[in-house]
Amino acid sequence: EVQLVESGGNLVQPGGSLRLSCAASGFTFNSHWMHWFRQAPGKGLLWISRISTDGKTTGYADSVMGRFSISRDNAKNTLYLQMTSLRAEDTAIYYCARDRTTVTLFDYWGQGTLVTVSS
Amino acid sequence: DFVMTQSPDSLAVSLGERATISCKSSQSVLSSSNNKNYLAWYQQKPGQPPKLLIYWASTRESGVPDRFSGSGSGTDFTLTISSLQAEDVAVYYCQEYYDTSYTFGQGTKVEIK
Repeated sequence: EVQLVESGGNLVQPGGSLRLSCAASGFTFNSHWMHWFRQAPGKGLLWISRISTDGKTTGYADSVMGRFSISRDNAKNTLYLQMTSLRAEDTAIYYCARDRTTVTLFDYWGQGTLVTVSS
Repeated sequence: DFVMTQSPDSLAVSLGERATISCKSSQSVLSSSNNKNYLAWYQQKPGQPPKLLIYWASTRESGVPDRFSGSGSGTDFTLTISSLQAEDVAVYYCQEYYDTSYTFGQGTKVEIK
């Protein structure tokens, strides 16, 4: 059974940093691109970042470019999102999702982890 | 950049009745190389992550009930729930995967009348 479990969400002050993790199991992690999304309270879905199977190719939404960094450890089957210079508008539930990879479809999602940026 | 616009924002349908959601893309998501529409539909129930329902505009994901169907091409798409069940109460999102912005519509909330 495919499982994605996010962790690391917390309350952080504006300007602070946080690292999210996404532990994957039930599939061959290093065969799939992976993505991060977020959903502000009561709002819609926003794609944040993607990473290739070997970690060498990444992409970011304009809203987080230069502040967030995606990475992965294929030996640990874990995806990461390092977030810096956090702003109030980064407050959201953050989801990791598996990319089907044969085509870019997000076929499995984690339950999400809540990041709150507030003083 | 893509803009995906769904209508209506919400709708209330009686159990067993049809629910129809529209999604319009600011640009075509039809690829000339493979004649496929890069359009997906997701269902998000309260407190849960999104679930992939339909891709290529009309292909149901494995395990999705056949009361869910997708149609359309180019810039105009429709998700239809042919006979609404109580477990279909959710927010539905269309999403383009034509380019790497992976833009979602704003969502349509489906409730029971």
